[in-house]
Amino acid sequence: KAGVTQTPRYLIKTRGQQVTLSCSPISGHRSVSWYQQTPGQGLQFLFEYFSETQRNKGNFPGRFSGRQFSNSRSEMNVSTLELGDSALYLCASSLQGAKNIQYFGAGTRLSVL
Amino acid sequence: DQQVKQNSPSLSVQEGRISILNCDYTNSMFDYFLWYKKYPAEGPTFLISISSIKDKNEDGRFTVFLNKSAKHLSLHIVPSQPGDSAVYFCAASASGANSKLTFGKGITLSVRP
Repeated sequence: KAGVTQTPRYLIKTRGQQVTLSCSPISGHRSVSWYQQTPGQGLQFLFEYFSETQRNKGNFPGRFSGRQFSNSRSEMNVSTLELGDSALYLCASSLQGAKNIQYFGAGTRLSVL
Repeated sequence: DQQVKQNSPSLSVQEGRISILNCDYTNSMFDYFLWYKKYPAEGPTFLISISSIKDKNEDGRFTVFLNKSAKHLSLHIVPSQPGDSAVYFCAASASGANSKLTFGKGITLSVRP
């Protein structure tokens, strides 16, 4: 069974640009969660999607948004990039959500210059 | 506010000895706890979990202990191996379909040969 796939693995953008990250969950998993990891910080929860609906949202500004498609694949978008958005963005999938084990992708390393 | 705290940023242990990684939480609604391990350039991988109805769960060399009254859990690795060197994250969730996983900042474990 294929794991969680995130593309691209690395991304370099400049301030003010926007970016879209992609996540393909494990087959059969309906829940996709996104996290931001910065140096010295844990994984900060961005949002969770389940059956194409945003079910939970973390404390991030509206520049961070996402969506989920009918095949459970998910995208995350960050508009008007800031230097502080440089981070590792991780996607995790699970069968139903937080009460199930979440399986993570390798992440997308975003650098904002 | 940091609801899941891993107060020690790093731990160094001799190969063959026991590694004890600690985690504290403040939210009394948390009833499910997990440990993840993360190597550089990879996503976190699930290690072991425990429900609040238990006080101990064991899987091979890994044992998690939960002390609900103290809002404290710990991960024991016995015996420690050099391949265990990684960042370990503690995570917690509360009941409810919309519950999310809340992560600590992680502990860097180094196992010396």
